[in-house]
Amino acid sequence: EAGVAQSPRYKIIEKRQSVAFWCNPISGHATLYWYQQILGQGPKLLIQFQNNGVVDDSQLPKDRFSAERLKGVDSTLKIQPAKLEDSAVYLCASSAQGYEQYFGPGTRLTVT
Amino acid sequence: AQSVTQLGSHVSVSEGALVLLRCNYSSSVPPYLFWYVQYPNQGLQLLLKYTTGATLVKGINGFEAEFKKSETSFHLTKPSAHMSDAAEYFCAVILGVSNTGKLIFGQGTTLQVKP
Repeated sequence: EAGVAQSPRYKIIEKRQSVAFWCNPISGHATLYWYQQILGQGPKLLIQFQNNGVVDDSQLPKDRFSAERLKGVDSTLKIQPAKLEDSAVYLCASSAQGYEQYFGPGTRLTVT
Repeated sequence: AQSVTQLGSHVSVSEGALVLLRCNYSSSVPPYLFWYVQYPNQGLQLLLKYTTGATLVKGINGFEAEFKKSETSFHLTKPSAHMSDAAEYFCAVILGVSNTGKLIFGQGTTLQVKP
């Protein structure tokens, strides 16, 4: 069974630029999560989808971050414009049963 | 409100020694508890989980954890450390029993294993 796929693995951009990350969850997993992991901290949930509907986006900075999950499968997370404090690893996870989550390798974003 | 506290951001042990990583949680509802491991430049891998039933939970790579409700703890142990255990470990708790559970992570503990 293929795991959660993410791309790109690494991205370096300048502040005020835009960036997008892509995630393909495990086949058949209805729930998809995006987490932000700042260096030295645990992951923090940004947004959670159930199929193609948003369940929780309470910690998503909506003035600059957006996410979508068209057709209830893969998902993209966008930042526009980026700030220095957005430098982090962005992790995607998926779940079939709601409590056991499987994580992708992450995208490491550096904003200069 | 729920939170997870991991005591000690860095733990160093000798190869073959006992590994003990501490985790305390606060929750107003019965928690689901997890330990994840993260190797450099990789995502998180589930080590073990507690949902209901037996409070001593065994996971992969020889790790185990015990849920102690009276102490609100879920400490991770391994009898004998191996060099390959060096990694970042995260304790996490999930809200309630719904299918839309939200993981709340501790700040992580870096385990160093010395030869």
